[in-house]
Amino acid sequence: NAGVTQTPKFRVLKTGQSMTLLCAQDMNHEYMYWYRQDPGMGLRLIHYSVGEGTTAKGEVPDGYNVSRLKKQNFLLGLESAAPSQTSVYFCASSYSTASGRVDEQFFGPGTRLTVL
Amino acid sequence: SQQGEEDPQALSIQEGENATMNCSYKTSINNLQWYRQNSGRGLVHLILIRSNEREKHSGRLRVTLDTSKKSSSLLITASRAADTASYFCAITHPLPAGKSTFGDGTTLTVKP
Repeated sequence: NAGVTQTPKFRVLKTGQSMTLLCAQDMNHEYMYWYRQDPGMGLRLIHYSVGEGTTAKGEVPDGYNVSRLKKQNFLLGLESAAPSQTSVYFCASSYSTASGRVDEQFFGPGTRLTVL
Repeated sequence: SQQGEEDPQALSIQEGENATMNCSYKTSINNLQWYRQNSGRGLVHLILIRSNEREKHSGRLRVTLDTSKKSSSLLITASRAADTASYFCAITHPLPAGKSTFGDGTTLTVKP
């Protein structure tokens, strides 16, 4: 099992360019998450999904869009990149309990994005 | 903010000493989790404590939860240089289902 994988690992964009980050998990998890981590800070939840075809906003959703067309994939899009979006982006997935509770999250290795 | 807040922000100790870090939060929770992050890497799950539990152990880790004070603590006993990392608490919310938020972390340095 590969667990949670993220592509690409590194990317440099110019202001205004667009890109899509791909997250894939092979654990059949219902829940998937996109976080960003700025230097010296914790993780901020951007968007998350509680199942195929569903998405929800997190703490810092502005400037990002997401899609979950397949259960195993969760895509994060930046339509018009800004320098403030320079960060490390982490994807995570988790199984859901019968009550909808979130337990352990499994994290990908991260994507380091620089916007010039 | 619904996030957890860790305290202290940074902690430096000698190998063999115990390390204690705290997490406070503002909302009701389903559970609280602690994660570890080595520099430049992703997060690794350490331990989970449910809202109806008060204490949990896993190896050299001990976690407590006080829901009346909305706080949790992580104790690492007999620390090792390899424990040097950042430690984060994560709160999972009763509603909406699936939502989870992290604190800003405690950076632990264990000197050999």
